[in-house]
Amino acid sequence: DVQLVQSGAEVKKPGQSLRISCKGSGYSFSSNWISWVRQMPGKGLEWMGRIDPSDSYTNYSPSLEGHVSISADESISTAYLQWSSLQASDTAMYYCARHRSGNSYSYMDVWGEGTTVTVSS
Amino acid sequence: EIMMTQSPATLSVSPGERATLSCRASQSVYTNLAWYQQKPGQAPRLLIYAASTGATGIPARFSGSGSGTEFTLTISSLQSEDYAVYYCQQYNVWPYTFGQGTQLEIK
Repeated sequence: DVQLVQSGAEVKKPGQSLRISCKGSGYSFSSNWISWVRQMPGKGLEWMGRIDPSDSYTNYSPSLEGHVSISADESISTAYLQWSSLQASDTAMYYCARHRSGNSYSYMDVWGEGTTVTVSS
Repeated sequence: EIMMTQSPATLSVSPGERATLSCRASQSVYTNLAWYQQKPGQAPRLLIYAASTGATGIPARFSGSGSGTEFTLTISSLQSEDYAVYYCQQYNVWPYTFGQGTQLEIK
């Protein structure tokens, strides 16, 4: 079965750094893009950005570019979402999702279970 | 950035009845449109892609239609497990934007 398994919940203070992970299994990790999606408490889904694990090419939402970074380690089939300086407004659930292919016009067909990030002083 | 607008925000429908959810794009996305279902405490699940193609394992009562800027998700006969939030998303142009969601509730 194709699966994305995300790292566990995190509680951090403002200004701290954080990296959360998303490990793929059951398919060729480098063949499919991975996106990250944010869901703030009680709110809707917001696409953050995506990475092509085969070459680490990324696209970001303009509203988030520069505040987060997305990376991947093809050798361990894992994608990452990273912050260098967290803010309280980063408190949210974060989902990773696999795109159906590594080409344009590719929807997200498999989702991770989500990682809760809480930022509070 | 393409804006996706869903209507209504909340839809109350009785079990066994039909539900029709709408999604409008601020510019054409052709048929590069997906629908997702999200239940409380769960990750989203893909229902429909390419505007009208059902994802693997999705019951036939779920159907999608539309192209360009106007799209519809129809649930033909609501079951208890269908009460959830539904999101549309365009994947035609970066950033891949979602609608704000439609909450489908029991009437």
